[in-house]
Amino acid sequence: QQQVKQSPQSLIVQKGGISIINCAYENTAFDYFPWYQQFPGKGPALLIAIRPDVSEKKEGRFTISFNKSAKQFSLHIMDSQPGDSATYFCAASIGQAGTALIFGKGTTLSVSS
Amino acid sequence: GAVVSQHPSRVICKSGTSVKIECRSLDFQATTMFWYRQFPKKSLMLMATSNEGSKATYEQGVEKDKFLINHASLTLSTLTVTSAHPEDSSFYICSARVGSMGAQYFGPGTRLLVL
Repeated sequence: QQQVKQSPQSLIVQKGGISIINCAYENTAFDYFPWYQQFPGKGPALLIAIRPDVSEKKEGRFTISFNKSAKQFSLHIMDSQPGDSATYFCAASIGQAGTALIFGKGTTLSVSS
Repeated sequence: GAVVSQHPSRVICKSGTSVKIECRSLDFQATTMFWYRQFPKKSLMLMATSNEGSKATYEQGVEKDKFLINHASLTLSTLTVTSAHPEDSSFYICSARVGSMGAQYFGPGTRLLVL
């Protein structure tokens, strides 16, 4: 049973456009939702994270939108650049219990110039 | 952000030998570290959770006698792949958590190729 479902699997966006990646979770005990960016041959890098007490968090061009009732959260990349081309993973964990992150399957983003 | 290092970055070994991978938190103490395995174009698969000073907790299907994990200090965890075989070839990534509810930071990964 996949606890974190991520879509789309791949995404092509024009330079300057908005990239949107969605994730849905099943376990209502999850209370920590990070997004990671991974380039080929490298480890994932933490981009931005949110906890369920807020509905949106913005850091630079990256925004997380969180909908607790729908059990969904999404990553928006504004003004997408070719350098943003990478694989993005959403994840979730039960922070209070110190559990490991459960990852989505990833989205490969290509930003065309 | 917090920095996690891994060594070596790449290793090639012969079938039947053992390989040790080190994971270090460079600028913070990590009571909990995690080991993941990643296949090409796939997501990260959690192998085990490592707590400093105690035995690692392995995920279902992960052989604890094959993948030995030691977390001897608050800044170092090691993964030893014993009697490696070609099917163990993969990208191994560690991560360390800041505090009990804090963010999780990943190392750069180790590419293992078993011939």
